[in-house]
Amino acid sequence: AQKITQTQPGMFVQEKEAVTLDCTYDTSDPSYGLFWYKQPSSGEMIFLIYQGSYDQQNATEGRYSLNFQKARKSANLVISASQLGDSAMYFCAMRGNSNYQLIWGAGTKLIIKP
Amino acid sequence: GAVVSQHPSWVICKSGTSVKIECRSLDFQATTMFWYRQFPKQSLMLMATSNEGSKATYEQGVEKDKFLINHASLTLSTLTVTSAHPEDSSFYICSARSGGGEQETQYFGPGTRLLVL
Repeated sequence: AQKITQTQPGMFVQEKEAVTLDCTYDTSDPSYGLFWYKQPSSGEMIFLIYQGSYDQQNATEGRYSLNFQKARKSANLVISASQLGDSAMYFCAMRGNSNYQLIWGAGTKLIIKP
Repeated sequence: GAVVSQHPSWVICKSGTSVKIECRSLDFQATTMFWYRQFPKQSLMLMATSNEGSKATYEQGVEKDKFLINHASLTLSTLTVTSAHPEDSSFYICSARSGGGEQETQYFGPGTRLLVL
């Protein structure tokens, strides 16, 4: 069965510091995709970054990068130079090869302190 | 990125009434849309997969007669909560598939907060 695990229910980080949000996954599919979404208090889900299982390089999008370690089945999100506006819930998700649905982690609440 | 709209953003209704929520992909065509429900401080729970031109696929435990889904076009899916009750109060959010193959991504609408009195 496919599963996403986010072990950090909440994190406090000082503004301008880098932060790593953990995500581990479990799947038997040879091909899969990993996603990170941000959900601010307004409720919208904002797509941040995508990593394909066959991608050789770690994905990067601006201040976001994904530390993909396939052998360890981890896909941690790294946010560099954190900003107050980064305070939100962050969800890791996985898409399997067998269907188009996403499997979601429980989320991590990130609070950036000024 | 692709834009998905959702309307209304807030609904307050009396118990027993029906509520329709619209999900639109504004700048792309979406053959598949997804409807989620989210309780406070919890992750998203997939309710159903909406396929254009065919019946929706509901997740286990989701009443199809309670939550009616219509995907009439490549840019519009609707969720109707029929005979709503207070326990249906929740945050409902839709997403639409964009792209294909490995790069396929789900883009989300802003969500609808439903409060049933």
